[in-house]
Amino acid sequence: AQTVTQSQPEMSVQEAETVTLSCTYDTSESDYYLFWYKQPPSRQMILVIRQEAYKQQNATENRFSVNFQKAAKSFSLKISDSQLGDAAMYFCAYRSGQGAQKLVFGQGTRLTINP
Amino acid sequence: NAGVMQNPRHLVRRRGQEARLRCSPMKGHSHVYWYRQLPEEGLKFMVYLQKENIIDESGMPKERFSAEFPKEGPSILRIQQVVRGDSAAYFCASSPGQGVDAFFGQGTRLTVV
Repeated sequence: AQTVTQSQPEMSVQEAETVTLSCTYDTSESDYYLFWYKQPPSRQMILVIRQEAYKQQNATENRFSVNFQKAAKSFSLKISDSQLGDAAMYFCAYRSGQGAQKLVFGQGTRLTINP
Repeated sequence: NAGVMQNPRHLVRRRGQEARLRCSPMKGHSHVYWYRQLPEEGLKFMVYLQKENIIDESGMPKERFSAEFPKEGPSILRIQQVVRGDSAAYFCASSPGQGVDAFFGQGTRLTVV
């Protein structure tokens, strides 16, 4: 079974600085997708960024980028120019590219932005 | 196009009562997923349904929990004889097909008193 591990329960960063959230995963599959979701206090799950495992190029969405290391099974999220609105829980998630379509989530990292 | 709608947003039940959580998928979406989030934890998969069919229920507790997605109407997650440990946020997500990213609803927070 696939597992996702986020080893940082909490992180904090100064506004306008850069922060990196860590995520590792375990799978024997070669076809899969990885995601970062943001969950603000409203509880809404917001997709931040996705990465297809077959793509070598790291995904980027505005101030959000990932460092995808397939051999190391690592998938970190970098947030540049942190803003107060980035404060939230962040979840890393895995989805198989075949068969089961369910998402497997990590435990989450609570990100605090200091003004 | 409205997003995934879950209701109620908050539900309080006494121990032993039944809880019924509803999820209306986005228009054109025929695949529904239910997840549970215990306090301070990540979301855990419960069940995956297509219209009138349960595709994967590997995350559903064996007793008291059931789910359906009828031909007409919303998907329902039903919890019978609720216990304090059922207190959690329950999320629904929908997608138009396999292999397509799902969109999440805002969740239902169930509190068992």
